Amino acid sequence: TQLLEQSPQFLSIQEGENLTVYCNSSSVFSSLQWYRQEPGEGPVLLVTVVTGGEVKKLKRLTFQFGDARKDSSLHITAAQPGDTGLYLCAGDPTDSWGKLQFGAGTQVVVTP
Amino acid sequence: DAGITQSPRHKVTETGTPVTLRCHQTENHRYMYWYRQDPGHGLRLIHYSYGVKDTDKGEVSDGYSVSRSKTEDFLLTLESATSSQTSVYFCAISTSDRGFDGYTFGSGTRLTVV
Repeated sequence: TQLLEQSPQFLSIQEGENLTVYCNSSSVFSSLQWYRQEPGEGPVLLVTVVTGGEVKKLKRLTFQFGDARKDSSLHITAAQPGDTGLYLCAGDPTDSWGKLQFGAGTQVVVTP
Repeated sequence: DAGITQSPRHKVTETGTPVTLRCHQTENHRYMYWYRQDPGHGLRLIHYSYGVKDTDKGEVSDGYSVSRSKTEDFLLTLESATSSQTSVYFCAISTSDRGFDGYTFGSGTRLTVV
């Protein structure tokens, strides 16, 4: 059973379009991270959100943590081919510091 | 940046043989983790360590053991490999010992059990 549910599982869009990836859970997290993974490599940390309602921006990427600290979203504005990758959300449960629970991931493909 | 290397990068082994995967970090971070990644399951925690000789089980620890005799090395052993252990294995470290700021991952080991 996946503690964190990501949707959609797959997204294919054209360069310049916007996209949103969702990460939902019934559990509360101390923090939530987003990672991007490229083929043959390990995931790379993009951002950590800690406070309920927090919004963080990283260039064209906007991350939001839900008010109840159970869900999060990643929005990409004007996607570029370099944004292609597997996006993973990961939550730090309140009862087990540092033992991340990962979602299954969203594969994003941006075509020129 | 924290240096973390995994070896080997690829391995094919036969069912029933023991296999050891190595994770090496170049800094003295306390927390190290082993995950496996399978399609549809994401990353699942196998074992983790919070210091030399201090290890504990994750959610999918059956069939795996770990050892950490030095801060910089965390070994994962499959005692008797099975086909269900065919997977990509990732080692990770937590670079913050005073709070949680996410993981740094190695590049992974692709293990095939035939």
